[in-house]
Amino acid sequence: QQQVKQSPQSLIVQKGGIPIINCAYENTAFDYFPWYQQFPGKGPALLIAIRPDVSEKKEGRFTISFNKSAKQFSLHIMDSQPGDSATYFCAASYGGSQGNLIFGKGTKLSVKP
Amino acid sequence: EADIYQTPRYLVIGTGKKITLECSQTMGHDKMYWYQQDPGMELHLIHYSYGVNSTEKGDLSSESTVSRIRTEHFPLTLESARPSHTSQYLCASSEYGGSGKRNEQFFGPGTRLTVL
Repeated sequence: QQQVKQSPQSLIVQKGGIPIINCAYENTAFDYFPWYQQFPGKGPALLIAIRPDVSEKKEGRFTISFNKSAKQFSLHIMDSQPGDSATYFCAASYGGSQGNLIFGKGTKLSVKP
Repeated sequence: EADIYQTPRYLVIGTGKKITLECSQTMGHDKMYWYQQDPGMELHLIHYSYGVNSTEKGDLSSESTVSRIRTEHFPLTLESARPSHTSQYLCASSEYGGSGKRNEQFFGPGTRLTVL
């Protein structure tokens, strides 16, 4: 049973567009929701993360929107650039730093010039 | 600067060989992880460790084994490699324990293993 469901599997946008990637979770005990960015040939790197006591978090052009009642969270990339082309993974964990991350299946984003 | 190293980056090996994938981190992190990732797919946790002499199995069953004799070092071993073990193996580390600690995992670049 997949505990974190991510969509879409792939996404193509034009430069300047706003791609949105969605994730849904089942376990209400989850208390930490990060997004990781992975470029080809590299390991994932933390992009931005949110805890369930806030509904939105912005860091630069990246925004997480969090809907606790719907058990959903999403990543928005403002003014997307070709350099944002990568695979994005959402994840969830509980227990603060003691919990293991459970990853979604990933979304391959391509930003066309 | 946070650094986590994996060697080798690429390995092509024949069936039945014993292999060890190396992972080292310089951040003093107590918790370390091994993930298996097929191309374009999600990460599956196969092993993790809370510190020296601690090893735990992850969500995905794996024939590999791990050891943690030193805080900074977390090698993964396959006693007899098979084609089904062909995959990318990613090592990661994070802080552990205490209030306010971040759960950010830092990943190495991965080892791409091909078993012929």
